[in-house]
Amino acid sequence: DMKVTQSSRYLVKRTGEKVFLECVQDMDHENMFWYRQDPGLGLRLIYFSYDVKMKEKGDIPEGYSVSREKKERFSLILESASTNQTSMYLCASSSQGSYAEAFFGQGTRLTVV
Amino acid sequence: SQQGEEDPQALSIQEGENATMNCSYKTSINNLQWYRQNSGRGLVHLILIRSNEREKHSGRLRVTLDTSKKSSSLLITASRAADTASYFCAPWSYNQGGKLIFGQGTELSVKP
Repeated sequence: DMKVTQSSRYLVKRTGEKVFLECVQDMDHENMFWYRQDPGLGLRLIYFSYDVKMKEKGDIPEGYSVSREKKERFSLILESASTNQTSMYLCASSSQGSYAEAFFGQGTRLTVV
Repeated sequence: SQQGEEDPQALSIQEGENATMNCSYKTSINNLQWYRQNSGRGLVHLILIRSNEREKHSGRLRVTLDTSKKSSSLLITASRAADTASYFCAPWSYNQGGKLIFGQGTELSVKP
């Protein structure tokens, strides 16, 4: 069906909680991405995974970790949520071809109170 | 990793006018992609132009690439209110692996 699905559209969590953001794609893509988007800062890459159990840090990995145990699923983990992690989080996937386009989920707006 | 810088940051036009957005980047690329984001949603791929192409069309979209100036432009002709969105470019080269890096985007407002 060519879809990237993020588990929640809106999420409210308390400071210090462990937060899991889930992302699933049905296109058998090797690459998966997590971005955060803040006003005036554009999209910033948090983590990138190019295969199961493989990951690379993006530009802003601090305070986040990721898990990719299955090809179709890529989880973003906030070990101890803080208010400065309030943001829109976007997941994307792509194949590994040189001319591959990325497909995005609908986004998760996370508020940490 | 390479990031594109879109210009202008914001653009407001009337329906029926053309909209031009620009993207500059710093090092050589293999391709450059343009994406659109409607308010509060995920990005949608619009068009990809390869480094050996100078111009590409898709419907009302026209993309140009000038590798000597390290810049690209996206032209939307005969704009509609539904074109109101943010537009992002993503330059890509082999040596950044599969990573796609985006800038701040251009926020386009098309007034009816």
